[in-house]
Amino acid sequence: QTVVTQEPPFSVSPGGTVTLTCGLSSGSLSTDHPPSWYRQTPGQVPRALVSTANFRFSGVPDRFSGSILGNKAALTITGAQADDEADYYCVVYLGSGIWMFGGGTKLTVL
Amino acid sequence: EVELVESGGGLVQPGGSLRLSCAASGFSLGSHWMTWVRQAPGKGLEWVANIKQDGSAKYYVDAVKGRFTISRDNAKDSLYLQMSSLRAEDTAVYYCARWGLITGTTYWIDYWGQGTLVTVSS
Repeated sequence: QTVVTQEPPFSVSPGGTVTLTCGLSSGSLSTDHPPSWYRQTPGQVPRALVSTANFRFSGVPDRFSGSILGNKAALTITGAQADDEADYYCVVYLGSGIWMFGGGTKLTVL
Repeated sequence: EVELVESGGGLVQPGGSLRLSCAASGFSLGSHWMTWVRQAPGKGLEWVANIKQDGSAKYYVDAVKGRFTISRDNAKDSLYLQMSSLRAEDTAVYYCARWGLITGTTYWIDYWGQGTLVTVSS
């Protein structure tokens, strides 16, 4: 059973840079359907952030960027701010019409 | 303005059935793949099912295959999730969401509804 892996809870200092990653327990990320990233704060609906094809959702500041690092999808946040504290999820295409979210990474800014 | 509004959640006994609906507005439903995503209390997001623009292709996570059916009525701007043989582990907030095409074959889930809570308990 393939699993999408993300980091356990992570912290970053205000103003710092953090890169969160998302990979597959087996196999390679799809290049036809690149992963994308979402953020969710407590009690709120998830919101689209970036695609690893480096598209940012409308209104998302350019402090957020998506990329592929080796065989992992990456979300980089530069100049971290207090309100970047959230759960960050990636979604990955497994093939045959099936998608899977990673378990999420809780990011703390302190 | 794109809006997705779910309804139909509630308390249901194990083994029971429930039908979720999602009313779409502000865009042409028939132009988009649509999806249901769920989130159990205190847990992460789980992709549940996708349906193609014309309903000709449907895909499901293994955990719901054979029990859940995704469908759509583009003329009514509505998406549905028929859930049967419900189990306690199906308890979650269910989000209706839209797949947006960025370019080529690159998609993302660009709009989400507010979610509807399904509780499976006796």
